[in-house]
Amino acid sequence: EAGVAQSPRYKIIEKRQSVAFWCNPISGHATLYWYQQILGQGPKLLIQFQNNGVVDDSQLPKDRFSAERLKGVDSTLKIQPAKLEDSAVYLCASSVTGTATGELFFGEGSRLTVL
Amino acid sequence: TQLLEQSPQFLSIQEGENLTVYCNSSSVFSSLQWYRQEPGEGPVLLVTVVTGGEVKKLKRLTFQFGDARKDSSLHITAAQPGDTGLYLCAGAYAGNNRKLIWGLGTSLAVNP
Repeated sequence: EAGVAQSPRYKIIEKRQSVAFWCNPISGHATLYWYQQILGQGPKLLIQFQNNGVVDDSQLPKDRFSAERLKGVDSTLKIQPAKLEDSAVYLCASSVTGTATGELFFGEGSRLTVL
Repeated sequence: TQLLEQSPQFLSIQEGENLTVYCNSSSVFSSLQWYRQEPGEGPVLLVTVVTGGEVKKLKRLTFQFGDARKDSSLHITAAQPGDTGLYLCAGAYAGNNRKLIWGLGTSLAVNP
């Protein structure tokens, strides 16, 4: 079974530029998550989708971050304009049920460096 | 607000030593998960505990959920370099089974 796929793995941009990350979840997983992880810390939830609807985006900085999940499958996370503090690893995860007792399957992450 | 506290934050030990990592909260959780994350990878689920007082074993790893379901511990016996990584606990509040609260993690280094 293929895992969660993310791209790009690494991205370096200047502040005020824009960047987009792509995620393809495990086939059949209804719930998709985007997390931000600062080096050595736990993940911070940015947005949670159930199929193509948003379940939780309370910690998404909506003035610069946006995310969409077209047709309830792939998802894109965009940052525009980027700030220095956005330097982090952006993790995509998917799960079958969307309940907090279910297992989350994570991709390898996209490491963003903002200069 | 950080609602799940993990301790210690960093741990560096020699191969063969034992260690315990703690995950504590003032709130009651309906379930709690432990993940391990290796450098350059995403977290991988180790175990889910759901019953107060529950103990689960995974080879040299022993997980315990507190009787009051407010805390959990992970004990590793005879640590090996392959155990090196970031250990994360994540809990689900009773009454909100869609929201997972994450701890900041314990970074473990096992030296050969």
